[in-house]
Order: sequence, then structure tokens, then C-alpha cells
Amino acid sequence: ETGVTQTPRHLVMGMTNKKSLKCEQHLGHNAMYWYKQSAKKPLELMFVYSLEERVENNSVPSRFSPECPNSSHLFLHLHTLQPEDSALYLCASSHNEEGYTEAFFGQGTRLTVV
Amino acid sequence: GQNIDQPTEMTATEGAIVQINCTYQTSGFNGLFWYQQHAGEAPTFLSYNVLDGLEEKGRFSSFLSRSKGYSYLLLKELQMKDSASYLCAVKDSNYQLIWGAGTKLIIKP
Repeated sequence: ETGVTQTPRHLVMGMTNKKSLKCEQHLGHNAMYWYKQSAKKPLELMFVYSLEERVENNSVPSRFSPECPNSSHLFLHLHTLQPEDSALYLCASSHNEEGYTEAFFGQGTRLTVV
Repeated sequence: GQNIDQPTEMTATEGAIVQINCTYQTSGFNGLFWYQQHAGEAPTFLSYNVLDGLEEKGRFSSFLSRSKGYSYLLLKELQMKDSASYLCAVKDSNYQLIWGAGTKLIIKP
């Protein structure tokens, strides 16, 4: 148990569906992240929220839409996804400070787009 | 561009020692992290190096040479539960983590 909880753990969706991934942390962190993890590839940073404001958007397609209503919750809204979007989506949180700040990860949502 | 390189897969024997290398080229350096990730689970923090030298934590040690852009993770007295992927990540000048693709470590009896 890392203190970061993601739901659902598994999700299968069609290309015309709309779904949302949820992430919750109660570690008192002020930064939250969405990562995409595909087989044999480095973790890809998708979005960063610091103090509830989005500070990073690494050229992610608009079919992925993040939402951070407060410092403890983060959502990733999905619509009209493609099969190549199938991957493990990881949420993480940390203190957004200079120097040593380890990131704590959730268990991830295994997404399959059919 | 920024790049983190580590071997894709390694195999070792239970009870032995294994060293997993990581080389990096990043815009700035604010520390290097090692994480462990078991299949289907979240990555979990193992170690952090920001100064040159060796950091020891039980059976695991991590080494850093900033001049060479090089780190390694040393695992001693290997156990079957050490079978996992090991991820190297560097915090760049913007304090963002740049990740390697991970090294899958297979432990054989």
C-alpha cells in the first residue's frame, strides 16, 4: 500500500466510449502525475498538476483530458480512444520541491481499447 | 535529447550478486532514483543518489558517478522475490523525472 489509490484496476472500452480513471492520495502531497506505461518502453509523463494547476502537458492527444479538483484527487477522462492507447496508466504524487522528493505510485489501471 | 539507458533484461542465480547499470544524458541533474516494479504492481522507491559514491541499504546498494553520467544498482544475496523490473530515473534541470525503460531481472533457483 503506497498511499495512492487508483480505480478501476482494469478497464476495457470501445473506441466510441467515454470513461474516467480516478486517482486519490492522502499523503499530503501537492503534486500529482499521470504516466503511461507501455511494454518495454520508458514511463511517459502525460500530465503534471502542482498545487492543483496543470504545469505540464507533454503533447498528449486531446482524447485524454485531465482534471484535478483538489490536491488529493486526480482524474483522467477518456473519449474516442484508439487501440494504441492500450497501456498501463499510472498515477503518482509527490511534494513538488527542489531536491529529494520521491514519487509514490498507484497500482495503475490496465486499459484495453477494443 | 534526454536519454536513460539500461539493459532490457538480466538473469541471475538465487544467492548471487547482480549489478544493473544505468547511463544517462539529461539537461541538468538533480538526483537519480531507482525503483522496483513487480509485474502488475506499482513502482516502489528503492534509492536516491545526488552525490558521487555508494549508498547502501541492506542488500541493495546504489552508486553514482556524475562525471560519467553513470549509476548502478547492486543487489546482493538474491532472493526469488527480487524478480522484478528495476527502473532508473533522473531528475532534470526542471525537476522532472526522466525514466529509463527498465531492466527485467529474472532470478533462477
